[in-house]
Amino acid sequence: QQQVKQSPQSLIVQKGGISIINCAYENTAFDYFPWYQQFPGKGPALLIAIRPDVSEKKEGRFTISFNKSAKQFSLHIMDSQPGDSATYFCAASISVGFQKLVFGTGTRLLVSP
Amino acid sequence: DVKVTQSSRYLVKRTGEKVFLECVQDMDHENMFWYRQDPGLGLRLIYFSYDVKMKEKGDIPEGYSVSREKKERFSLILESASTNQTSMYLCASSLGTGPYEQYFGPGTRLTVT
Repeated sequence: QQQVKQSPQSLIVQKGGISIINCAYENTAFDYFPWYQQFPGKGPALLIAIRPDVSEKKEGRFTISFNKSAKQFSLHIMDSQPGDSATYFCAASISVGFQKLVFGTGTRLLVSP
Repeated sequence: DVKVTQSSRYLVKRTGEKVFLECVQDMDHENMFWYRQDPGLGLRLIYFSYDVKMKEKGDIPEGYSVSREKKERFSLILESASTNQTSMYLCASSLGTGPYEQYFGPGTRLTVT
């Protein structure tokens, strides 16, 4: 019940295309869903996060779509750029009390020029 | 800018050695975390601390211990290193309880031979 399942494991997208990464969870108590971005040699950094009271959140070219009934959320990267090439992790937690994040297994994105 | 620093980027130790990984954050954060990152497994929580001298087990605490004597410093200890502890170790910190961003250090790649 604590797992967050992430797919695909790796993704190759052409420059200008749309990158889509999907995550699914089981624990209905989760109410905070961040995405972290990790470049080689660096630690992960928060990219964007969503709460389940909205179905979509957009920041620049990055959008989270959230489907509460299906217990799924996804990251869309519009107009993907080579600089977006990184590993992306979805995560989930319960926002009340101590925040213990449960991470997905990661998606390695390569945007080809 | 929050900064989380880790004492070593690369470390090579022998089986059976006691290993110390140090992490320091400079933003007076309450919470600190140790994760290990393995390909295909994502980030898995080893231990976390929500206050000085307080610690809680994460999902994979076996073979590890931690120490937090000062608010800014959180140490991960491998009592007797084994080859299956070869991994990337990431330290993170966050402001407090609730859905606060976790700030990660650059990681320590530990190889146990």
